[in-house]
Amino acid sequence: GENVEQHPSTLSVQEGDSAVIKCTYSDSASNYFPWYKQELGKGPQLIIDIRSNVGEKKDQRIAVTLNKTAKHFSLHITETQPEDSAVYFCAGGRKTSYDKVIFGPGTSLSVIP
Amino acid sequence: KAGVTQTPRYLIKTRGQQVTLSCSPISGHRSVSWYQQTPGQGLQFLFEYFSETQRNKGNFPGRFSGRQFSNSRSEMNVSTLELGDSALYLCASRPQATDTQYFGPGTRLTVL
Repeated sequence: GENVEQHPSTLSVQEGDSAVIKCTYSDSASNYFPWYKQELGKGPQLIIDIRSNVGEKKDQRIAVTLNKTAKHFSLHITETQPEDSAVYFCAGGRKTSYDKVIFGPGTSLSVIP
Repeated sequence: KAGVTQTPRYLIKTRGQQVTLSCSPISGHRSVSWYQQTPGQGLQFLFEYFSETQRNKGNFPGRFSGRQFSNSRSEMNVSTLELGDSALYLCASRPQATDTQYFGPGTRLTVL
């Protein structure tokens, strides 16, 4: 079955610096890769997603890249702010088949003012 | 629009008991999914309901069950609770024909 690995497990950056979180997946049939942000006491919130027919997607300070050949995808946050501090989850799987969307273990990001 | 609401937010039960958790999706959303989140296993899919029918099911024992009502509200039930069932149970709703799921704040279940 699908397996999603995520690195690093914790990440500390200075405010204003960039943060990069990397994920790998095992199922070559995966075509949907969402990223979620979870703040303390809240449920995960979708921040960006990418489909397998696209190599890169950007939304303001957040960008995601996908390398289908290597089965890698990454989240890039530029100009980090303290409110970016949270746990970030990547996920990979089949579009709209949520039993087949597997989540990574999460990255705890701390942005130091 | 109000977000996904889950009740109760916190619950303490003892081994062997059963528990029912409730989820009210965003108005107009007909798909509701349930997830279990633990530090060791992360986020794991339990099941998805659409128009009162279970559409997908994750790899959990039969002690975990759910249902959806005609107003799209959903409940999940866990019978014969075990210590390992202690977790944050998250509900997510989704508009039809989109991929975006909207998660609720979760119910924190502690089994003693």
